[in-house]
Amino acid sequence: DTAVSQTPKYLVTQMGNDKSIKCEQNLGHDTMYWYKQDSKKFLKIMFSYNNKELIINETVPNRFSPKSPDKAHLNLHINSLELGDSAVYFCASSQDRTGLAIQYFGAGTRLSVL
Amino acid sequence: SQQGEEDPQALSIQEGENATMNCSYKTSINNLQWYRQNSGRGLVHLILIRSNEREKHSGRLRVTLDTSKKSSSLLITASRAADTASYFCVALNQAGTALIFGKGTTLSVSS
Repeated sequence: DTAVSQTPKYLVTQMGNDKSIKCEQNLGHDTMYWYKQDSKKFLKIMFSYNNKELIINETVPNRFSPKSPDKAHLNLHINSLELGDSAVYFCASSQDRTGLAIQYFGAGTRLSVL
Repeated sequence: SQQGEEDPQALSIQEGENATMNCSYKTSINNLQWYRQNSGRGLVHLILIRSNEREKHSGRLRVTLDTSKKSSSLLITASRAADTASYFCVALNQAGTALIFGKGTTLSVSS
């Protein structure tokens, strides 16, 4: 019954590989997000989708490509992984895109690039 | 993006004491929320304060917002060991195009 679930929980891979992280929410929310949290715990938003439409696209390398097949899913694909991509990636969702909407977070995917 | 700043970055207190964390931001915001993150977990929503509110309470939490100073504070009263976590402030800018996060305050409450 997890509200926001992301898979895998852990991902260890070599530099240069391509990997995907999946996220699904069963809350019926319109808006979904991807965040990156680095080793210093600094949390930074990467992307936000509202009803499958990209609404926030922060300055991230174009090796990162979000894909939203429907409003319940927002997957993150990363090409040509680099050491600096090692971090914990969080998916979240909210009812809508307003500042009044509470975000519900997944448990995170810990990505380690070797 | 325009990051906010939380202050202090780390705070250690004894159980029963109050903990105050501050958050400052650089742009005009719509509303501001505080979230908590336990080690190795995702963020959990604590409290939301609207841009036209100055103070809000929820249980042992008290949040203030000063839009003229572009700052907010979170007060946890009578802290418990279970309050040990990182706390983040989050705000949506008025254009609705950017989420502003602080770097987080790590609170340690010892019994």
